[in-house]
Amino acid sequence: GAVVSQHPSWVICKSGTSVKIECRSLDFQATTMFWYRQFPKQSLMLMATSNEGSKATYEQGVEKDKFLINHASLTLSTLTVTSAHPEDSSFYICSATDAGGPGELFFGEGSRLTVL
Amino acid sequence: AQSVTQPDIHITVSEGASLELRCNYSYGATPYLFWYVQSPGQGLQLLLKYFSGDTLVQGIKGFEAEFKRSQSSFNLRKPSVHWSDAAEYFCAVGRMNTGFQKLVFGTGTRLLVSP
Repeated sequence: GAVVSQHPSWVICKSGTSVKIECRSLDFQATTMFWYRQFPKQSLMLMATSNEGSKATYEQGVEKDKFLINHASLTLSTLTVTSAHPEDSSFYICSATDAGGPGELFFGEGSRLTVL
Repeated sequence: AQSVTQPDIHITVSEGASLELRCNYSYGATPYLFWYVQSPGQGLQLLLKYFSGDTLVQGIKGFEAEFKRSQSSFNLRKPSVHWSDAAEYFCAVGRMNTGFQKLVFGTGTRLLVSP
Protein backbone atom coordinates (compact mmCIF):
# COMPACT_ATOMS: atom_id res chain seq x y z
CA GLY A 1 0.00 0.00 0.00
CA ALA A 2 0.85 3.64 -0.20
CA VAL A 3 3.28 5.00 2.36
CA VAL A 4 3.06 8.25 4.26
CA SER A 5 5.99 9.33 6.36
CA GLN A 6 6.22 11.99 9.04
CA HIS A 7 9.27 13.72 10.38
CA PRO A 8 10.27 14.14 13.07
CA SER A 9 8.76 11.26 15.00
CA TRP A 10 9.16 13.19 18.20
CA VAL A 11 10.34 16.65 19.09
CA ILE A 12 10.86 18.57 22.29
CA CYS A 13 10.97 22.34 22.21
CA LYS A 14 10.93 25.30 24.53
CA SER A 15 7.86 27.38 25.05
CA GLY A 16 7.67 30.23 22.58
CA THR A 17 9.56 28.54 19.78
CA SER A 18 8.14 27.24 16.52
CA VAL A 19 8.23 23.65 15.36
CA LYS A 20 7.76 22.26 11.87
CA ILE A 21 6.45 18.78 11.17
CA GLU A 22 6.69 17.28 7.70
CA CYS A 23 4.32 14.83 6.08
CA ARG A 24 5.44 13.11 2.89
CA SER A 25 3.75 10.71 0.56
CA LEU A 26 6.57 8.45 -0.54
CA ASP A 27 5.18 6.53 -3.47
CA PHE A 28 2.17 8.47 -4.65
CA GLN A 29 1.05 12.00 -5.28
CA ALA A 30 -1.24 13.37 -2.65
CA THR A 31 -3.46 16.17 -3.78
CA THR A 32 -5.04 16.32 -0.37
CA MET A 33 -3.55 15.76 3.05
CA PHE A 34 -5.19 15.94 6.43
CA TRP A 35 -3.74 16.88 9.78
CA TYR A 36 -5.07 15.36 12.97
CA ARG A 37 -4.31 15.93 16.59
CA GLN A 38 -4.58 13.14 19.10
CA PHE A 39 -4.73 13.78 22.82
CA PRO A 40 -3.81 11.02 25.29
CA LYS A 41 -6.55 8.44 25.56
CA GLN A 42 -8.69 10.43 23.16
CA SER A 43 -9.69 10.28 19.59
CA LEU A 44 -8.07 11.85 16.56
CA MET A 45 -9.44 15.30 15.91
CA LEU A 46 -9.23 16.70 12.41
CA MET A 47 -7.41 20.01 12.43
CA ALA A 48 -7.24 20.97 8.79
CA THR A 49 -7.35 19.86 5.19
CA SER A 50 -4.33 20.68 3.11
CA ASN A 51 -4.66 21.00 -0.64
CA GLU A 52 -1.65 21.26 -2.90
CA GLY A 53 -1.18 24.78 -4.15
CA SER A 54 -3.96 26.36 -2.14
CA LYS A 55 -4.69 27.52 1.34
CA ALA A 56 -5.52 24.96 3.96
CA THR A 57 -9.05 24.63 5.24
CA TYR A 58 -9.21 24.64 9.01
CA GLU A 59 -11.79 22.98 11.20
CA GLN A 60 -13.84 25.08 13.54
CA GLY A 61 -11.94 26.04 16.63
CA VAL A 62 -8.47 25.50 15.17
CA GLU A 63 -6.29 28.59 15.24
CA LYS A 64 -4.98 29.27 11.75
CA ASP A 65 -2.19 31.50 12.98
CA LYS A 66 -1.08 28.97 15.52
CA PHE A 67 -1.01 25.98 13.20
CA LEU A 68 0.39 26.98 9.82
CA ILE A 69 -0.07 24.46 7.07
CA ASN A 70 1.73 24.52 3.76
CA HIS A 71 1.21 22.03 0.94
CA ALA A 72 3.86 23.15 -1.49
CA SER A 73 4.08 20.01 -3.58
CA LEU A 74 2.11 16.88 -4.34
CA THR A 75 4.25 14.89 -1.94
CA LEU A 76 4.83 17.24 0.96
CA SER A 77 2.71 19.06 3.50
CA THR A 78 4.10 20.79 6.55
CA LEU A 79 2.52 21.77 9.84
CA THR A 80 4.23 24.53 11.78
CA VAL A 81 3.22 25.07 15.38
CA THR A 82 4.07 28.69 16.02
CA SER A 83 4.97 30.12 19.41
CA ALA A 84 4.38 26.74 20.96
CA HIS A 85 3.09 26.44 24.49
CA PRO A 86 2.78 23.39 26.75
CA GLU A 87 -0.88 23.01 25.86
CA ASP A 88 0.18 22.39 22.26
CA SER A 89 1.92 19.22 23.36
CA SER A 90 0.22 16.41 21.55
CA PHE A 91 0.50 13.68 18.96
CA TYR A 92 0.06 15.04 15.46
CA ILE A 93 -0.86 12.69 12.65
CA CYS A 94 -1.17 13.34 8.96
CA SER A 95 -2.99 11.37 6.34
CA ALA A 96 -3.06 11.55 2.59
CA THR A 97 -5.25 10.35 -0.20
CA ASP A 98 -4.23 9.29 -3.63
CA ALA A 99 -7.77 9.79 -4.80
CA GLY A 100 -8.15 6.05 -5.06
CA GLY A 101 -11.68 6.22 -3.83
CA PRO A 102 -13.73 7.42 -0.92
CA GLY A 103 -11.97 6.96 2.34
CA GLU A 104 -8.76 5.69 0.81
CA LEU A 105 -6.58 7.38 3.35
CA PHE A 106 -3.04 6.51 4.30
CA PHE A 107 -1.70 7.64 7.64
CA GLY A 108 1.72 8.70 8.77
CA GLU A 109 3.26 7.29 11.90
CA GLY A 110 2.65 10.46 13.85
CA SER A 111 4.80 13.09 15.48
CA ARG A 112 4.86 13.60 19.21
CA LEU A 113 5.42 17.19 20.25
CA THR A 114 6.40 18.07 23.79
CA VAL A 115 6.62 21.73 24.68
CA LEU A 116 8.51 22.52 27.88
CA ALA B 1 -23.35 15.88 13.02
CA GLN B 2 -21.66 12.57 12.69
CA SER B 3 -20.29 10.88 15.78
CA VAL B 4 -18.77 7.57 16.72
CA THR B 5 -18.89 5.86 20.09
CA GLN B 6 -16.60 3.11 21.21
CA PRO B 7 -17.94 2.22 24.63
CA ASP B 8 -15.00 0.09 25.72
CA ILE B 9 -11.83 2.00 26.59
CA HIS B 10 -9.85 -1.19 26.90
CA ILE B 11 -10.47 -4.90 26.59
CA THR B 12 -8.35 -7.86 27.64
CA VAL B 13 -8.66 -11.09 25.72
CA SER B 14 -6.79 -14.34 26.11
CA GLU B 15 -4.71 -15.42 23.17
CA GLY B 16 -6.75 -17.72 20.99
CA ALA B 17 -10.06 -16.42 22.26
CA SER B 18 -12.57 -14.58 20.12
CA LEU B 19 -12.82 -10.82 20.04
CA GLU B 20 -15.57 -8.29 19.48
CA LEU B 21 -14.99 -4.55 19.64
CA ARG B 22 -18.06 -2.39 19.70
CA CYS B 23 -18.71 0.67 17.61
CA ASN B 24 -21.88 2.75 17.38
CA TYR B 25 -22.30 5.66 15.04
CA SER B 26 -24.64 8.55 14.55
CA TYR B 27 -25.24 9.53 10.96
CA GLY B 28 -28.20 10.72 8.96
CA ALA B 29 -27.65 8.68 5.85
CA THR B 30 -25.89 5.52 4.79
CA PRO B 31 -22.54 5.79 6.47
CA TYR B 32 -19.08 5.03 5.23
CA LEU B 33 -17.53 3.12 8.10
CA PHE B 34 -13.97 2.15 8.84
CA TRP B 35 -11.88 0.30 11.36
CA TYR B 36 -8.26 1.27 11.85
CA VAL B 37 -5.57 -0.22 14.04
CA GLN B 38 -2.74 1.75 15.61
CA SER B 39 0.27 0.01 17.05
CA PRO B 40 2.61 1.90 19.38
CA GLY B 41 4.74 4.39 17.50
CA GLN B 42 3.03 3.64 14.23
CA GLY B 43 0.41 5.25 12.08
CA LEU B 44 -3.10 4.03 11.57
CA GLN B 45 -3.60 1.04 9.33
CA LEU B 46 -6.90 0.36 7.65
CA LEU B 47 -8.39 -2.99 8.68
CA LEU B 48 -11.60 -2.82 6.70
CA LYS B 49 -14.28 -0.51 5.43
CA TYR B 50 -17.95 -0.55 4.60
CA PHE B 51 -19.48 1.53 1.85
CA SER B 52 -22.45 -0.48 0.65
CA GLY B 53 -23.54 -3.98 -0.26
CA ASP B 54 -22.86 -7.00 1.89
CA THR B 55 -23.16 -5.97 5.50
CA LEU B 56 -20.48 -8.43 6.60
CA VAL B 57 -17.13 -7.05 5.60
CA GLN B 58 -13.90 -8.97 5.56
CA GLY B 59 -10.64 -7.21 6.28
CA ILE B 60 -7.00 -7.89 6.73
CA LYS B 61 -5.39 -9.96 9.48
CA GLY B 62 -8.50 -12.12 9.85
CA PHE B 63 -10.78 -9.33 11.02
CA GLU B 64 -14.37 -8.83 9.97
CA ALA B 65 -17.08 -6.35 10.83
CA GLU B 66 -20.82 -6.36 10.48
CA PHE B 67 -22.88 -3.31 9.65
CA LYS B 68 -26.23 -3.31 11.41
CA ARG B 69 -28.31 -0.33 10.39
CA SER B 70 -31.06 -1.06 12.90
CA GLN B 71 -28.57 -0.87 15.73
CA SER B 72 -26.34 1.82 14.22
CA SER B 73 -23.44 -0.47 14.89
CA PHE B 74 -20.33 -1.66 13.11
CA ASN B 75 -18.67 -4.10 15.48
CA LEU B 76 -15.28 -5.59 14.74
CA ARG B 77 -14.69 -9.28 15.28
CA LYS B 78 -11.94 -11.83 15.10
CA PRO B 79 -12.44 -15.52 15.86
CA SER B 80 -9.02 -16.12 17.38
CA VAL B 81 -6.82 -13.37 18.73
CA HIS B 82 -3.05 -13.42 18.41
CA TRP B 83 -0.64 -11.64 20.72
CA SER B 84 0.35 -9.40 17.83
CA ASP B 85 -3.20 -8.03 17.71
CA ALA B 86 -2.56 -6.01 20.86
CA ALA B 87 -3.00 -2.41 19.76
CA GLU B 88 -5.41 0.50 19.73
CA TYR B 89 -8.44 0.13 17.49
CA PHE B 90 -10.39 3.04 16.08
CA CYS B 91 -13.76 3.05 14.45
CA ALA B 92 -14.48 5.96 12.12
CA VAL B 93 -17.25 7.33 9.94
CA GLY B 94 -16.67 9.30 6.78
CA ARG B 95 -18.15 12.77 6.70
CA MET B 96 -20.66 13.45 4.03
CA ASN B 97 -19.96 15.96 1.28
CA THR B 98 -16.22 15.61 1.70
CA GLY B 99 -15.74 12.60 -0.51
CA PHE B 100 -15.93 10.77 2.80
CA GLN B 101 -12.26 11.43 3.25
CA LYS B 102 -12.73 13.53 6.35
CA LEU B 103 -13.16 11.01 9.10
CA VAL B 104 -14.75 11.29 12.48
CA PHE B 105 -13.08 8.89 14.86
CA GLY B 106 -14.22 7.16 17.99
CA THR B 107 -12.10 7.41 21.11
CA GLY B 108 -10.52 4.04 20.49
CA THR B 109 -10.38 0.71 22.28
CA ARG B 110 -7.11 -0.60 23.55
CA LEU B 111 -6.82 -4.35 23.15
CA LEU B 112 -4.63 -6.26 25.55
CA VAL B 113 -3.88 -9.91 24.84
CA SER B 114 -3.06 -12.16 27.75
CA PRO B 115 -1.07 -15.39 27.38
